[in-house]
Amino acid sequence: DSGVTQTPKHLITATGQRVTLRCSPRSGDLSVYWYQQSLDQGLQFLIQYYNGEERAKGNILERFSAQQFPDLHSELNLSSLELGDSALYFCASSVRRSSTDTQYFGPGTRLTVL
Amino acid sequence: EDQVTQSPEALRLQEGESSSLNCSYTVSGLRGLFWYRQDPGKGPEFLFTLYSAGEEKEKERLKATLTKKESFLHITAPKPEDSATYLCAVQGLVTSGSRLTFGEGTQLTVNP
Repeated sequence: DSGVTQTPKHLITATGQRVTLRCSPRSGDLSVYWYQQSLDQGLQFLIQYYNGEERAKGNILERFSAQQFPDLHSELNLSSLELGDSALYFCASSVRRSSTDTQYFGPGTRLTVL
Repeated sequence: EDQVTQSPEALRLQEGESSSLNCSYTVSGLRGLFWYRQDPGKGPEFLFTLYSAGEEKEKERLKATLTKKESFLHITAPKPEDSATYLCAVQGLVTSGSRLTFGEGTQLTVNP
């Protein structure tokens, strides 16, 4: 158990819908990262937050957005869902902002878009 | 742009048969190279971080090494419970934030 929690574990929804994925980082960790893992693309970085502020952005679609709240939990919002958004979404957390500290991953949310 | 290539894509071993997994990387200055283990449907589990060429780290039957262009994960006398996908990732010096760039992984199966 990494100490990172994600809810829900599974999400099944229809095209065009909007969903919210939630992540609670390890106690004391200030950085939260979101990654997408699909069968054909491996693990892809989406976005990083540090202490409530956006720190880095990867290949995140405009339909997707995220935020980190004062209690440090984070939410990833996915809207106008398409079949191709079906994937595992992982949250990771680490202590510091940009040094080489370890990212610990949560168990993931499996999103299925029908 | 940081790039990571892992080989082989899949590897089948008999219990006790040692082998190595390869991770080749291209990065504009390496801040760190990471190895993770991932079981099906689960989140990646951290194994090692390597920072500079020549560095080695060990944990039970696993040993990770690093050169300026690649890293190896050596598995000595593997057991069936070592079966998993092993992921390599890099963090570059010029990369914004602390993002990790992952390879596609090596799927290891150890038969009893």
